Amino acid sequence: SQKIEQNSEALNIQEGKTATLTCNYTNYSPAYLQWYRQDPGRGPVFLLLIRENEKEKRKERLKVTFDTTLKQSLFHITASQPADSATYLCALDMEYGNKLVFGAGTILRVKS
Amino acid sequence: KAGVTQTPRYLIKTRGQQVTLSCSPISGHRSVSWYQQTPGQGLQFLFEYFSETQRNKGNFPGRFSGRQFSNSRSEMNVSTLELGDSALYLCASSLAGRVADEQYFGPGTRLTVT
Repeated sequence: SQKIEQNSEALNIQEGKTATLTCNYTNYSPAYLQWYRQDPGRGPVFLLLIRENEKEKRKERLKVTFDTTLKQSLFHITASQPADSATYLCALDMEYGNKLVFGAGTILRVKS
Repeated sequence: KAGVTQTPRYLIKTRGQQVTLSCSPISGHRSVSWYQQTPGQGLQFLFEYFSETQRNKGNFPGRFSGRQFSNSRSEMNVSTLELGDSALYLCASSLAGRVADEQYFGPGTRLTVT
């Protein structure tokens, strides 16, 4: 079955730097990959979606890449701010069935 | 427009009891998915309803069930609660429930089983 791996350890970076989060998957190559942000005690919030035929997607300070050969997606936040501190989840579609599988998430802490 | 709402926000139940959680999707959204989130297992898919029909189901025991009403509101029920059912239960709505659709999550219901 599909397995998704995200950095299990928290990522601590300094304000103003670029944060890079990794999402690796095994087996089935998804047609779509989504990134969500989750703050403590709240539901995830959709950030970006990238399709398998897209190499890169940008939205303001956010950038997502999708490498189907490496089976990996990278999520970048440029000029990071303390307000970017949260857990970031990647989600992929399943090989069978119309549903998403979420990774465990990576905690990002941006220090001023 | 109003976001996804879930009630109640917090719930404490005793082992063996049953519980019903409610989710009201964004107006116009016909798909509602339910997830269980725990520190150890992360976000796990329970089931998805579209136009009052269960369209997808995750790997959870039959104690977990749900339904969707004609106005797209959804409920999930857990019978014979176990300690391991303690979790944050999230529902998400989307226009049509396609994997390319953005999902809008509610704030969740925090269930504690004692």
